Amino acid sequence: EVQLVESEGGLVQPGGSLRLSCAASGFTFSNYAMSWVRQAPGKGLEWVSTISGSGGNTYYADSVKGRFTISRDNSKNTLYLQMNSLRAEDTAVYYCARPNYVDYTLYFAYWGQGTLVTVSS
Amino acid sequence: DIQMTQSPSSVSASVGDRVTITCRASQGISSWLAWYQQKPRKAPKLLIYAASSLQSGVPSRFSGSGSGTDFTLTISSLQPEDFATYYCQQANSFPSTFGQGTRLEIK
Repeated sequence: EVQLVESEGGLVQPGGSLRLSCAASGFTFSNYAMSWVRQAPGKGLEWVSTISGSGGNTYYADSVKGRFTISRDNSKNTLYLQMNSLRAEDTAVYYCARPNYVDYTLYFAYWGQGTLVTVSS
Repeated sequence: DIQMTQSPSSVSASVGDRVTITCRASQGISSWLAWYQQKPRKAPKLLIYAASSLQSGVPSRFSGSGSGTDFTLTISSLQPEDFATYYCQQANSFPSTFGQGTRLEIK
């Protein structure tokens, strides 16, 4: 069974940093691109970032480019999102997500439970 | 970036009704489109990918169509568990973008 379990988020001050992790199990982690998607309270879904299976290619939304870094450790079956220079508008539930098939990078069939990141003083 | 526009933003319907939600891309995306269902405080659920392919385990009352810039999600006969918010997403290119959502409410 595919499982994605995100680490706890939390309350961070504006300008602060936080690293999220997503522990994957039930599939060959290195075969799949992985992504982060977020949802601000009461708002819609926003794609944040994607990393290829090898980790060699990364992609970011303009809203987080230069502040967030996606990475993965295939030996630990874990995905990460390092978030720096956090802003109030980064407040959201963050989901890690896996596509349905290896050949499809962005069709998210598997999702973590979501973790709330609140940026506030 | 490709903008995705859904309509309507909300719709009221009854159990047994047929409902159609549309999604328009600001530029052609071939068939690189997905539809998701989201219930409150839950992660989204993939319903349709590649515009018209039914994700495994999704009931056949859900169907998708379209290509290029115009797409539709149809629920043939609404069930009580279908009342939720629906999102389209373009998977043609980075940055991937979602529609603003369509809230399906009980009439």
